Amino acid sequence: SQQGEEDPQALSIQEGENATMNCSYKTSINNLQWYRQNSGRGLVHLILIRSNEREKHSGRLRVTLDTSKKSSSLLITASRAADTASYFCAAKAAGNKLTFGGGTRVLVKP
Amino acid sequence: EPEVTQTPSHQVTQMGQEVILRCVPISNHLYFYWYRQILGQKVEFLVSFYNNEISEKSEIFDDQFSVERPDGSNFTLKIRSTKLEDSAMYFCASSEVVSSNEQFFGPGTRLTVL
Repeated sequence: SQQGEEDPQALSIQEGENATMNCSYKTSINNLQWYRQNSGRGLVHLILIRSNEREKHSGRLRVTLDTSKKSSSLLITASRAADTASYFCAAKAAGNKLTFGGGTRVLVKP
Repeated sequence: EPEVTQTPSHQVTQMGQEVILRCVPISNHLYFYWYRQILGQKVEFLVSFYNNEISEKSEIFDDQFSVERPDGSNFTLKIRSTKLEDSAMYFCASSEVVSSNEQFFGPGTRLTVL
């Protein structure tokens, strides 16, 4: 089974709107991390939420974690054209590796 | 702000050749990682490295792959005899004292095997 599956796969919104994307995972985790990737570029770390946390904020980002449902969501408020990117969740279970999902492609139209 | 750097940004090689991808992790970090992303696919874990030894590796990381920390700053991934299917973006990452901290990624090296 796969860790870190996001939905939707793609999201198109107008500038100023909020963007919400979800992530589900299969096994118990130590933490869950969200990353942004602009086309063909590297992964930028956005936020980490630990298994004992339920919600975390960073600027215009809000992440929630529901360990009973094995799911997380990333909300980007007041989106900007520069937020156009792919967003990935990455689950960290026991051990060192992150297991990434397939990502949500977000297009913010000006 | 400190960041992970990688060189080269793009490497083109012939099948069967050896390649070495280089990374400079963030200076006070102690855990180092390599991941890869085949075009259009998920980012996949290859290996983690701590205290000068491999701490975890995936099934992808077979005998063709090796990692090394040759000095106090560089972290390298070597592919001994490249195959077409090794074409991918290779990301180096590092994290602080414990592996449960954030993993910070470099910009990646795009490897093209012809």
